[in-house]
Amino acid sequence: KNEVEQSPQNLTAQEGEFITINCSYSVGISALHWLQQHPGGGIVSLFMLSSGKKKHGRLIATINIQEKHSSLHITASHPRDSAVYICAAPNRDDKIIFGKGTRLHILP
Amino acid sequence: DSGVTQTPKHLITATGQRVTLRCSPRSGDLSVYWYQQSLDQGLQFLIHYYNGEERAKGNILERFSAQQFPDLHSELNLSSLELGDSALYFCASSPWVAGFYEQYFGPGTRLTVT
Repeated sequence: KNEVEQSPQNLTAQEGEFITINCSYSVGISALHWLQQHPGGGIVSLFMLSSGKKKHGRLIATINIQEKHSSLHITASHPRDSAVYICAAPNRDDKIIFGKGTRLHILP
Repeated sequence: DSGVTQTPKHLITATGQRVTLRCSPRSGDLSVYWYQQSLDQGLQFLIHYYNGEERAKGNILERFSAQQFPDLHSELNLSSLELGDSALYFCASSPWVAGFYEQYFGPGTRLTVT
């Protein structure tokens, strides 16, 4: 079992829909990252979370430390949100563990 | 633009060869991380350097080595290359010594081993 698990693996939705991607982890973490990787391959860090909730535009990320669970939400989704979303966290040895990613496709 | 540069962008080489990938971190960042992304394995952490010293090691093969130089750029050396080493190699920089608090990714080097 991977120390960082993401769901769903693939998600297709219509433009405008509310999107939720989940990440569960079993490692003790200092911070959890949500990353976005566009089809061209470049990776961007969307959020770094150690507690609570963060919002940037239409993106919202939450984390529940007790339940070891984080969610990434996209409101009013748009085709340009189509990408792979990856959560990642360091374990106690500071080794970064990545989820396998969620491939999101937003249809116009 | 993250401010992190990687060279080369693409590299095609044969099995058994040795290559060097280069990463220049953002100005002021002392940490450099190396990652490998293959189609079947996803993103994997290889190694982390802070100010020239190795801080953490992930799933890095013995055929691979890295170092960070006094000017803070880093090189990842891959030797005795195998077909399975074909992947995207990313570096990322951070101002933090540990804890994964910030990550600025470079554009990646696509390595193809034939």
